[in-house]
Amino acid sequence: RKEVEQDPGPFNVPEGATVAFNCTYSNSASQSFFWYRQDCRKEPKLLMSVYSSGNEDGRFTAQLNRASQYISLLIRDSKLSDSATYLCVVKDYKLSFGAGTTVTVRA
Amino acid sequence: EAGVAQSPRYKIIEKRQSVAFWCNPISGHATLYWYQQILGQGPKLLIQFQNNGVVDDSQLPKDRFSAERLKGVDSTLKIQPAKLEDSAVYLCASSLADRGGRDEQFFGPGTRLTVL
Repeated sequence: RKEVEQDPGPFNVPEGATVAFNCTYSNSASQSFFWYRQDCRKEPKLLMSVYSSGNEDGRFTAQLNRASQYISLLIRDSKLSDSATYLCVVKDYKLSFGAGTTVTVRA
Repeated sequence: EAGVAQSPRYKIIEKRQSVAFWCNPISGHATLYWYQQILGQGPKLLIQFQNNGVVDDSQLPKDRFSAERLKGVDSTLKIQPAKLEDSAVYLCASSLADRGGRDEQFFGPGTRLTVL
């Protein structure tokens, strides 16, 4: 079983739609969780950290479910500029990246 | 503020040749990471430095890969000899410290390696 698993997508959504996707992790002792964004042929950039209580940053909401060992990302009111690959990152004794979920927002 | 610098941006070599990549982290960042990202996959951590000491190199193929950060600032990653499966983007990242992994990592633009 992979340490971090993501639905690769792609999720194709119209502008203004809401899109949500999950990431599961295998190590219950994992301590820190993040979502990174990676545009095509670019480097990853931190989108947001994920806190136990859940957190929101503008149109983006992240949730952590330790019991079921998954984190989620929800994007509201999608913009064309949200088209990217979203990488789930989990830290136990090391940082592990998921393979990414591709989101394409169409006009 | 200058970001993480990497060079070269692209490299094409033949299998069994050697190659080296260079990374200059953001000024003041104590922690430096090297990742390998194969097409269609997420980045895989190869090695993590805290200043000039190695924190984690458990996923570094030590028979062919080596890395150093002698003065605790810039770093080099070397592959010798290269194999076809080493074709990937090699990303360098840095962070202020490693407070349980909670510090944001800033990535460089990467070096795209093609092994023929």
